[in-house]
Amino acid sequence: EIVLTQSPGTLSLSPGERATLSCRASQSVSSNYLAWYQHKPGQAPRLLIYGASNRATGIPDRFSGSGSGTDFTLTISRLEPEDFAVYYCQQYGSSRTFGQGTKVEIK
Amino acid sequence: EVQLVQSGAEVKKPGESLRISCKGSGYTFTSYWITWVRQMPGKDLEWMGWIDPSDSYTNYSPSFQGHVTFSADKSISTAYLQWSSLKASDTAMYYCARHRLATSPFDHWGQGTLVTVSS
Repeated sequence: EIVLTQSPGTLSLSPGERATLSCRASQSVSSNYLAWYQHKPGQAPRLLIYGASNRATGIPDRFSGSGSGTDFTLTISRLEPEDFAVYYCQQYGSSRTFGQGTKVEIK
Repeated sequence: EVQLVQSGAEVKKPGESLRISCKGSGYTFTSYWITWVRQMPGKDLEWMGWIDPSDSYTNYSPSFQGHVTFSADKSISTAYLQWSSLKASDTAMYYCARHRLATSPFDHWGQGTLVTVSS
């Protein structure tokens, strides 16, 4: 099973700042089948990025994904108030596993 | 608009059975697989497995094989997650989500169903 480790666990930032979230895999993720999801309390998770770097439909361009192999990054260029949430990475190339999440909180 | 609407919260006793549902709308239900995801209190998301509603073919995560059952009724665009004998450790939020292929991300999710199992 591919284990995904996200860092940091919590990111304390102010609106307008840049957020950089990391996701490291225990082995190479095939075909860069790596997705990022945003999850707010009481809401359904939302797909942000798939294929490591492709934005899902309707996702603002302040969200971007990069990386390959075992190291992946989600960047939010300028945090908006609605971006404070928990973010999960997921690999879907070998079964499916999630990272433990990074909480982006207001500083 | 694509929607996955899940059934409401449940409170059950250990040993009881339960079936929760996930109704799809706004798309061709049989063109996408339905996956189930568990989130225990304060814990990570765990993939449980998926079902292809077109033929009810299932694929269970080894961690959940034999503990839960997936089913689907394509005539009413609804997928189900079922337990025959609940345990306290089944207390969790359960999400359904859709995806097109085995190697596709989950592009729409349900709002979640909270299952509480307590004596």
